[in-house]
Amino acid sequence: DTGVSQDPRHKITKRGQNVTFRCDPISEHNRLYWYRQTLGQGPEFLTYFQNEAQLEKSRLLSDRFSAERPKGSFSTLEIQRTEQGDSAMYLCAQLAGGNGEQFFGPGTRLTVL
Amino acid sequence: DQQVKQNSPSLSVQEGRISILNCDYTNSMFDYFLWYKKYPAEGPTFLISISSIKDKNEDGRFTVFLNKSAKHLSLHIVPSQPGDSAVYFCAAGEGNYQLIWGAGTKLIIKP
Repeated sequence: DTGVSQDPRHKITKRGQNVTFRCDPISEHNRLYWYRQTLGQGPEFLTYFQNEAQLEKSRLLSDRFSAERPKGSFSTLEIQRTEQGDSAMYLCAQLAGGNGEQFFGPGTRLTVL
Repeated sequence: DQQVKQNSPSLSVQEGRISILNCDYTNSMFDYFLWYKKYPAEGPTFLISISSIKDKNEDGRFTVFLNKSAKHLSLHIVPSQPGDSAVYFCAAGEGNYQLIWGAGTKLIIKP
């Protein structure tokens, strides 16, 4: 049990709706990452935070996606006007080691109908 | 472009034998490499890592070998156990610790 938690674990929504996911890391004020994983692929980097600052965003993160990490603690990922192509597992991870080890939460499985 | 490749989608190994999972990469600037294990409906679980300045790292039944000249790394699991059945991901990173992942290899341990 890494201690990184994500909520909800599953989300089913209709196309065009907005969804928000939450990630609670083990500890505050360190690096927190968001990834997306589709079937048969490895996780793809979306964005990361150092404390409350969002330092990098992937080109995968369209303007419909926004992430926040107020006060450097928990983080939220919002997807506006969801599309069927947004269906995926959304993973949150926390940097945990000097060799780049990241500990992952259980993920949120999003299904857009 | 795929900077990290796992060319075997699946691998079947007899219980008690050695499992060898392979990974190739193209970016010579990667500083470190990691192996993760993933069960369905769970997040990836960290297994073992290796710095680019080393060629071997061992942790219990798991050993990772790095061949920088060939841009190749492998994970050896000895002996293989039924609980090792999962999808294994190779990942690589540099600098800001953004990880680039392979597509995974599904390992099946036969009794």
